[in-house]
Amino acid sequence: GQNIDQPTEMTATEGAIVQINCTYQTSGFNGLFWYQQHAGEAPTFLSYNVLDGLEEKGRFSSFLSRSKGYSYLLLKELQMKDSASYLCAALDSNYQLIWGAGTKLIIKP
Amino acid sequence: GAGVSQSPSNKVTEKGKDVELRCDPISGHTALYWYRQRLGQGLEFLIYFQGNSAPDKSGLPSDRFSAERTGESVSTLTIQRTQQEDSAVYLCASSPTDRGGYNEQFFGPGTRLTVL
Repeated sequence: GQNIDQPTEMTATEGAIVQINCTYQTSGFNGLFWYQQHAGEAPTFLSYNVLDGLEEKGRFSSFLSRSKGYSYLLLKELQMKDSASYLCAALDSNYQLIWGAGTKLIIKP
Repeated sequence: GAGVSQSPSNKVTEKGKDVELRCDPISGHTALYWYRQRLGQGLEFLIYFQGNSAPDKSGLPSDRFSAERTGESVSTLTIQRTQQEDSAVYLCASSPTDRGGYNEQFFGPGTRLTVL
């Protein structure tokens, strides 16, 4: 079956760095997405990786290893507004997004 | 600019009643998705529309669920004879391209459905 695994919850300190891991098992693979979802709001796009390596976008970076079925989202210089759920989603061979349950990130002052 | 809008934002209904949820995608977006998100869980794909092609209904959980879209405009998701397990947030997303390759999805605020 198809499966996305990511930690349920993580806690980090304002100003620090946090890495949110995601492993995936899908029928075929056409890329991996990260979305941010604040409580009670819609998900918003953060990043898309289809090739191995690190994509940097400001304070956020996303990494992909296709051979390991693994990705991570790296958040630097954490701010209180970064408190949210971070959703990992993989695009399978039918171009259907398979979503993880999300990682709730709690930022403490 | 206008994003994806959904209505109603909240819907409380009694078990056994039918409900209709509406989604207005971003103008010009050919692809439209419906998802269900239960509390504390990830997004569950329901249905995908792409232009005038036949929709991908593979995610609909039962025949009580149906959806329509006219061309590249508004979509409605209908749940007949609602059950308590249908309680969830129903999210709509649209995209300017089909699902091949990179296709950022733009989400609406969702409709929170509560079945008593």
